[in-house]
Amino acid sequence: DQQVKQNSPSLSVQEGRISILNCDYTNSMFDYFLWYKKYPAEGPTFLISISSIKDKNEDGRFTVFLNKSAKHLSLHIVPSQPGDSAVYFCAASAGANTGNQFYFGTGTSLTVIP
Amino acid sequence: DTGVSQDPRHKITKRGQNVTFRCDPISEHNRLYWYRQTLGQGPEFLTYFQNEAQLEKSRLLSDRFSAERPKGSFSTLEIQRTEQGDSAMYLCASSPWGDYGYTFGSGTRLTVV
Repeated sequence: DQQVKQNSPSLSVQEGRISILNCDYTNSMFDYFLWYKKYPAEGPTFLISISSIKDKNEDGRFTVFLNKSAKHLSLHIVPSQPGDSAVYFCAASAGANTGNQFYFGTGTSLTVIP
Repeated sequence: DTGVSQDPRHKITKRGQNVTFRCDPISEHNRLYWYRQTLGQGPEFLTYFQNEAQLEKSRLLSDRFSAERPKGSFSTLEIQRTEQGDSAMYLCASSPWGDYGYTFGSGTRLTVV
């Protein structure tokens, strides 16, 4: 049962343009969401997070939007850079009651074309 | 602080053999997690420790799998009688109590032949 879904396995974007990565979840108990970035042969690296009490969180070129009613979040990268090429995972947690266990999506492979 | 360390980085083993992986978390982090990632999938939760106590185990963690965290420091994950389906990347992560964000290690890639 996949509680977190990333329906686009890959995305290609021109350098300088906006990258939008999407994520849907099914469990209404999820209250904290993360995005991770992963390069080949490395572990995932934390990118940005958002709590369910917010609908937007911004950190430099990265912005995460949360639409709780639609159970949907998205990651915007603007402007996109070639170094952003990686696999991006979204993850969701129901919080401390579940020991901060995160459920991960299957990832979206982003390619930024110079 | 060198982050979360995992050893070995790669392990090739024959089916039926036992393997053990080690994880050294960030020293001040009292929570430690093990995840498994197979090709084309996101990381899947296996188990987590708060200090030395193993508080939760996934049903993915069959009785061939055992994890320990003696003294609340490093952790080991042992797989007995390995099967080809155990081939995966095994990721360790740690976090301080009350902090949602994990820091992952680089993982141990297991190949069972």
